Order: sequence, then C-alpha cells, then structure tokens
Amino acid sequence: EPEVTQTPSHQVTQMGQEVILRCVPISNHLYFYWYRQILGQKVEFLVSFYNNEISEKSEIFDDQFSVERPDGSNFTLKIRSTKLEDSAMYFCATGGQYEQYFGPGTRLTVT
Amino acid sequence: GEDVEQSLFLSVREGDSSVINCTYTDSSSTYLYWYKQEPGAGLQLLTYIFSNMDMKQDQRLTVLLNKKDKHLSLRIADTQTGDSAIYFCAESIGTGANNLFFGTGTRLTVIP
Repeated sequence: EPEVTQTPSHQVTQMGQEVILRCVPISNHLYFYWYRQILGQKVEFLVSFYNNEISEKSEIFDDQFSVERPDGSNFTLKIRSTKLEDSAMYFCATGGQYEQYFGPGTRLTVT
Repeated sequence: GEDVEQSLFLSVREGDSSVINCTYTDSSSTYLYWYKQEPGAGLQLLTYIFSNMDMKQDQRLTVLLNKKDKHLSLRIADTQTGDSAIYFCAESIGTGANNLFFGTGTRLTVIP
C-alpha cells in the first residue's frame, strides 16, 4: 500500500539555522499539507498546497516558512531562521479532495 | 472559530466495546475524521464521514454523527490490545483544500 514518507525522521538544529523538511507524497495525490504538533499539544494546520501554489495558510505560517514542490515529486517545508518554539513534530499529509494521509513525521529539535 | 474537544483518557477491557467521543463548535464543518496514532508513528486515517450522514460502519468501527449537538463518536467493537493508541477527531470546513482541525486526542488503553 502506498505511503507518505518523510525525511529526516529527526533533525536537531541550532537556533537561527535554516532547516528543510522533506516529504514524498503518494503519487496520484493532488493536495499537500503540513501540520505540526508541539509536545503535549494539538496537531495544528500550517499550510495547504494545490496546483503548485499555496491554497491556505494558518497564522503560524509566517514569513519564516515556505513550501515548494521543486521537482514535481518531493514536497518541502523550509524554516528560514529557526526559533526554540519551532521545536515540534512536523507532519506532511497528502490526499485527494476528502482523505488526507499522513507521513510518520519529522521531529525537529531547536537548541 | 474551530474548536474540537475530546476526553483525554479511556480504558476498556479486551473484548468490550470502546466509545470515543468528540464535540466540535463549527456548524459549517463538512467532513469529520477519525485518526489513530500509535507510539512513534504518524496519524493513520481510520474513517471519515460527511456531515449529511448520521452513521458510517466499517468492520469493527462505527461512527455516529449528531449534527444538531455537534457530537461525533467512534465505537470500536470487540476492542483488542492492538487498538491501544491515541485517537484524534478532526473536522474540515471543506472549502477547496480540506484543512483539518484536530482535537486533543483520546488515549485508549485496552486492558487484557
């Protein structure tokens, strides 16, 4: 059964550094999403992406965040200058119009 | 705004039924979802229901939706130890891309 994959599984970075989180969607999916879950808190929507552009973004998704699909397969989330409060589990999700299938997540630790 | 609430913990004995409850506030929700998260794993889509439906059954899972009370439940029949996990309820407003708004999750513990 096809799965969403994410790399790396764990990323440790210093405050102020840039990180890129990668996701490989299920091949025929058209909608792509990033969510995050800070330890002990709810899963929060960050951004949705369709037809090579951002569909919607939350208040969390400020100018420090960007997404792209550089080669038509990978879907990436970039954080330009990480802050301590960016430490969280980041989930990629892909899907059709109704279902969303989640990857296993990347745990980002900012020190 | 969207607010989805769940109780935090539920314990059941193996073989019994589990019922996990969820309430939401946004009356314009169009789709409601149940996800399962096992330790160290991602979110596994279990089932979803359109807001114009009252019930959906899929093998051991039954979803009930009371749209008037904005209440969603997930019943797991014949609960097994492998069902121990965190269960998340989520809603979508459903305009274009379906951004999901999640509850806090209910940790289900199945006692052998």
